[in-house]
Amino acid sequence: AQSVSQHNHHVILSEAASLELGCNYSYGGTVNLFWYVQYPGQHLQLLLKYFSGDPLVKGIKGFEAEFIKSKFSFNLRKPSVQWSDTAEYFCAVIPDRDDKIIFGKGTRLHILP
Amino acid sequence: KAGVTQTPRYLIKTRGQQVTLSCSPISGHRSVSWYQQTPGQGLQFLFEYFSETQRNKGNFPGRFSGRQFSNSRSEMNVSTLELGDSALYLCASSSVTVTDTQYFGPGTRLTVL
Repeated sequence: AQSVSQHNHHVILSEAASLELGCNYSYGGTVNLFWYVQYPGQHLQLLLKYFSGDPLVKGIKGFEAEFIKSKFSFNLRKPSVQWSDTAEYFCAVIPDRDDKIIFGKGTRLHILP
Repeated sequence: KAGVTQTPRYLIKTRGQQVTLSCSPISGHRSVSWYQQTPGQGLQFLFEYFSETQRNKGNFPGRFSGRQFSNSRSEMNVSTLELGDSALYLCASSSVTVTDTQYFGPGTRLTVL
């Protein structure tokens, strides 16, 4: 069965540290890739998405993600995190064969001021 | 533009009962998707509706059903509730397809006693 793995369940960083959250998926075909974020007390919202083209995708709030097809990965990065980045981050995949979105289990990011 | 609204926000039911949750999408959006979020399983896709038709379905038992009305509002129903149905149920709307940016509602927290 298709799945999405987020290896880090809980990450704690200090402000200004660099961030990389891992996401791997298991599907051999073409995929549409997403990162969603849920800030405390807020709705889930889209950070960025990749469908095709440049594998380095820029999203909101300084986030970016790189699609590496050979590694089935779509890691999220930010060069310098802020306290306001404290949130839960979800990676999601939609295989091109169907429109069923598959979410990873999420990574809770806690930024220390 | 008003966001996705879900009612009620909280529900407490007992085993064996049934429940109906409601979702009003963003004006103009025709695709509505439903998700179940639990600590153990994370975010799981339930089903998606478009133009009053179920377009896609996740791997949930037949006790979970939904429908969409001509104004794109959607309801989901869970019959014969089980303890394991306790979860946050999220609704998301998008313009046409699930690959369009999905906008999530605040969710309905269902507790089954």
